[in-house]
Amino acid sequence: DGGITQSPKYLFRKEGQNVTLSCEQNLNHDAMYWYRQDPGQGLRLIYYSQIVNDFQKGDIAEGYSVSREKKESFPLTVTSAQKNPTAFYLCASKEGGPLYNEQFFGPGTRLTVL
Amino acid sequence: GNSVTQMEGPVTLSEEAFLTINCTYTATGYPSLFWYVQYPGEGLQLLLKATKADDKGSNKGFEATYRKETTSFHLEKGSVQVSDSAVYFCALFYNQGGKLIFGQGTELSVKP
Repeated sequence: DGGITQSPKYLFRKEGQNVTLSCEQNLNHDAMYWYRQDPGQGLRLIYYSQIVNDFQKGDIAEGYSVSREKKESFPLTVTSAQKNPTAFYLCASKEGGPLYNEQFFGPGTRLTVL
Repeated sequence: GNSVTQMEGPVTLSEEAFLTINCTYTATGYPSLFWYVQYPGEGLQLLLKATKADDKGSNKGFEATYRKETTSFHLEKGSVQVSDSAVYFCALFYNQGGKLIFGQGTELSVKP
């Protein structure tokens, strides 16, 4: 089955530690995205990548970093500089080009910083 | 700038009631419009979409019509079920940025 996987589903870390969230897709999509969701709020874009080896900051990139070394993978690192990292993180992907605008989402990772 | 505004929740309905969730947008050009649904503890699933003015998206009994004159994309369903309980997000996509912009989400709770 084609789709997007995120692991782990739940993640606990101590304050001050960096943590990396995994996102893998086998849809052969060019573009990938990371969103953050907080209770009662919509999704806010952290980083996105429209092609391998390239990525751009979204609206709330401070305290986060990404890499896009392979088409199918777009890991997100939450660094100790992120002041309030506890949230639900969603990864998405879509086909490249202006004709395609539907994003497909993974199941999410809930990060709790203790 | 581009933005999406949804009616605030939570919305609580009895089973078989009529549902409307309002969504209005501000955008330059001609964005595509979407409704996504999020069941508890899960990611988002595309519910329906419309890519140009007067298009009607529909799926699983839900409908929404792209109204350019009122910049709206209201979600409707004639008879809701308990299984429709979820959070619903309205979103727009504009090609220049290659990004989706989401409303804040509306939580729907359907009681038997």
